[in-house]
Amino acid sequence: EAQVTQNPRYLITVTGKKLTVTCSQNMNHEYMSWYRQDPGLGLRQIYYSMNVEVTDKGDVPEGYKVSRKEKRNFPLILESPSPNQTSLYFCASGDYRIGNTEAFFGQGTRLTVV
Amino acid sequence: KNEVEQSPQNLTAQEGEFITINCSYSVGISALHWLQQHPGGGIVSLFMLSSGKKKHGRLIATINIQEKHSSLHITASHPRDSAVYICAVYGNKLVFGAGTILRVKS
Repeated sequence: EAQVTQNPRYLITVTGKKLTVTCSQNMNHEYMSWYRQDPGLGLRQIYYSMNVEVTDKGDVPEGYKVSRKEKRNFPLILESPSPNQTSLYFCASGDYRIGNTEAFFGQGTRLTVV
Repeated sequence: KNEVEQSPQNLTAQEGEFITINCSYSVGISALHWLQQHPGGGIVSLFMLSSGKKKHGRLIATINIQEKHSSLHITASHPRDSAVYICAVYGNKLVFGAGTILRVKS
């Protein structure tokens, strides 16, 4: 089954404690991305990756890091989480080649930083 | 001005009504998504379009590339269609609209 898997689904952590949210896809997609969703602000892109070892900042990259060492995985790293990073996070992967477009989203990770 | 504008922001319909949600964008794109998000739930991609029209069950999506406009139609709406519908466009990255909150009353 084609899917994007995020873990964990829910996480409560304390300010400053490094954490990683994992994202994995099984569709061999080149494009992967991370978003955060906040009330009244909609979905905003954090980082995206067009292929292995190629990552770019989205609209709200501050406080986040990513890596793309292999095609299937795209982890989101918060080196020193702060309360303003409390949010709902989504990972997505996609194939945007002409005539073959598809995209899938993970189930979301609800992060609370206290 | 946002690159992707959706209308309406909120929509309440009676069960059985025909519903239209609109999306206008200002950037060059290679694909447009219509996404559905139920309260507390994940995001599901309903359609991806690069031209023309697609239909899936009671859902129809159209796109006019020249006018930079897309519409999502729901025929014979049902309370289970209540959700947030989000338009997203892909140029070299995904850009999202603010979403339309749809509530269908029985």
